[in-house]
Amino acid sequence: KNEVEQSPQNLTAQEGEFITINCSYSVGISALHWLQQHPGGGIVSLFMLSSGKKKHGRLIATINIQEKHSSLHITASHPRDSAVYICAFRQGAQKLVFGQGTRLTINP
Amino acid sequence: DTEVTQTPKHLVMGMTNKKSLKCEQHMGHRAMYWYKQKAKKPPELMFVYSYEKLSINESVPSRFSPECPNSSLLNLHLHALQPEDSALYLCASSQEGTVGYGYTFGSGTRLTVV
Repeated sequence: KNEVEQSPQNLTAQEGEFITINCSYSVGISALHWLQQHPGGGIVSLFMLSSGKKKHGRLIATINIQEKHSSLHITASHPRDSAVYICAFRQGAQKLVFGQGTRLTINP
Repeated sequence: DTEVTQTPKHLVMGMTNKKSLKCEQHMGHRAMYWYKQKAKKPPELMFVYSYEKLSINESVPSRFSPECPNSSLLNLHLHALQPEDSALYLCASSQEGTVGYGYTFGSGTRLTVV
């Protein structure tokens, strides 16, 4: 079993829909990262959170440390949000453990 | 400057060639990373440099040779690669010494070995 599980693996939605991507992990962590990767491109760090909720524009990330669960929400989704969204946590001092990613497609 | 810059963006090389990938950051980050990413897979850690010293080598074949000439630069020297080494190579950096800091990734070098 992977230490990080994401769901769904693939998600297709219509423009304007509210999107939720889930991340569950099996070990104690101090912080969780949400990352975005556009096709063929580099990775952008969206959030790093250790408790509660963070918001940036139309993106909201929440984490429940006790439940070992985090969610990424996108409000009023847009085709430019189409990307792979990855959750990850730091293991030890330097190593990131990545989820398998959620491939999101927003159709106009 | 809040970016990690990777060059070149694309590289095609033969199996007998020697080439280098370059990564640069000016954020004062003291940890720098090389990742390899195959299509539709998450990145795999290759190397970590901490304060310009190699701190993690994830059992990477010797045909990949990292180098950290100074705190802003990270190179990956490539020699006698195989077609299965074709992938996106990502560089990243972070503050060192605490888990409270995030990572900054470059846009990657897409490598094709022919």
